[in-house]
Amino acid sequence: AQSVAQPEDQVNVAEGNPLTVKCTYSVSGNPYLFWYVQYPNRGLQFLLKYITGDNLVKGSYGFEAEFNKSQTSFHLKKPSALVSDSALYFCAVLPSYNTDKLIFGTGTRLQVFP
Amino acid sequence: DAGVIQSPRHEVTEMGQEVTLRCKPISGHNSLFWYRQTMMRGLELLIYFNNNVPIDDSGMPEDRFSAKMPNASFSTLKIQPSEPRDSAVYFCASRSSDGSNQPQHFGDGTRLSIL
Repeated sequence: AQSVAQPEDQVNVAEGNPLTVKCTYSVSGNPYLFWYVQYPNRGLQFLLKYITGDNLVKGSYGFEAEFNKSQTSFHLKKPSALVSDSALYFCAVLPSYNTDKLIFGTGTRLQVFP
Repeated sequence: DAGVIQSPRHEVTEMGQEVTLRCKPISGHNSLFWYRQTMMRGLELLIYFNNNVPIDDSGMPEDRFSAKMPNASFSTLKIQPSEPRDSAVYFCASRSSDGSNQPQHFGDGTRLSIL
């Protein structure tokens, strides 16, 4: 079955420290990969995507993600966390065999402490 | 630049009543998606349209749910009759026609409570 896993329900990090939110996927072919962020009482907002090319993708608000084909991972990273980064983060995969239906992970809540 | 607009933002109604959720996609986007988000089940795709045509409604939970897209700038999701288990946040998203790798853009959702 095609799936996306976000193994951590919650990630806690101190402000100023680097953060990583993990994502692995099990999808055949060469999928497109996305990260979204959701703030309270808001819809999901697009952060970044990997389609092809350089394995390190840079996105909004200083976030970046590293695509690793051998490990089928697409971890979200930021060198220095801000309290305002506290939110719910979703990894999503678009399979090459159906490029309409995003497969979402269950989400990881990031809490950045002052 | 207006994003995806959903109305109402909040809806509280009694079970058995008809509920209609509305969505205006971003102008020029030709794909529209309806999602439901709950704590228990996370984010679920209910139905999506390409060029106003329903493509996949396999996520619609029951016949009580129906969705329409009469034109490129408007879609509705209707629940009739509503039940308490339908309580959730319902999101609409749209996507550009420039290619399938374009991101979906989400509205801020309708928080539905069925009493």
